Amino acid sequence: AQSVTQLGSHVSVSEGALVLLRCNYSSSVPPYLFWYVQYPNQGLQLLLKYTSAATLVKGINGFEAEFKKSETSFHLTKPSAHMSDAAEYFCAVSGGGANNLFFGTGTRLTVIP
Amino acid sequence: GAVVSQHPSRVICKSGTSVKIECRSLDFQATTMFWYRQFPKQSLMLMATSNEGSKATYEQGVEKDKFLINHASLTLSTLTVTSAHPEDSSFYICSARVSGGEWGYTFGSGTRLTVV
Repeated sequence: AQSVTQLGSHVSVSEGALVLLRCNYSSSVPPYLFWYVQYPNQGLQLLLKYTSAATLVKGINGFEAEFKKSETSFHLTKPSAHMSDAAEYFCAVSGGGANNLFFGTGTRLTVIP
Repeated sequence: GAVVSQHPSRVICKSGTSVKIECRSLDFQATTMFWYRQFPKQSLMLMATSNEGSKATYEQGVEKDKFLINHASLTLSTLTVTSAHPEDSSFYICSARVSGGEWGYTFGSGTRLTVV
């Protein structure tokens, strides 16, 4: 079975500060991990995904995430927050025989000017 | 990249009526589609998985007679909310699994359903 836990339902950062959104996963098989961003009343946009290649994954809009098997983590980071980064972020896992994604509870990022 | 078009984006209906939501894969064939429901400020809850040409697989607790899913072609899946009630008001999102080099999951833009 697969699951993800996102620590912190709300994160606030100042514009230009580091963004760190935490995600820990649980999987009985090698996982595929994803980060999505959702703006109000919209669907989900893929930021990046880990598919067992490089452990440091670079995504769109300056985001990246590092897969750490020893810590079962896949935290999302961005060196410098921009106002347009304010949104809801979801970590998700897929793997094994399951086709679907299992989502975390989401983290709302607020960027303070 | 693979795009899923979801319509309508917003719909208001009266209690007791039915509403159909469509999801179309525009530039790829979607063998498998997923339907999610999202309550305000919450995560996505998987409702069902639909495979082209076969019956949908519903998650535990989801009423299959209320949420009818049809996946008759490789480019179209529909969700019909039958005899809608105010508690069915929610944000519904479809997703398709994309195969090949850029495999992954692509999402529709969502449908905001309000039942009055």
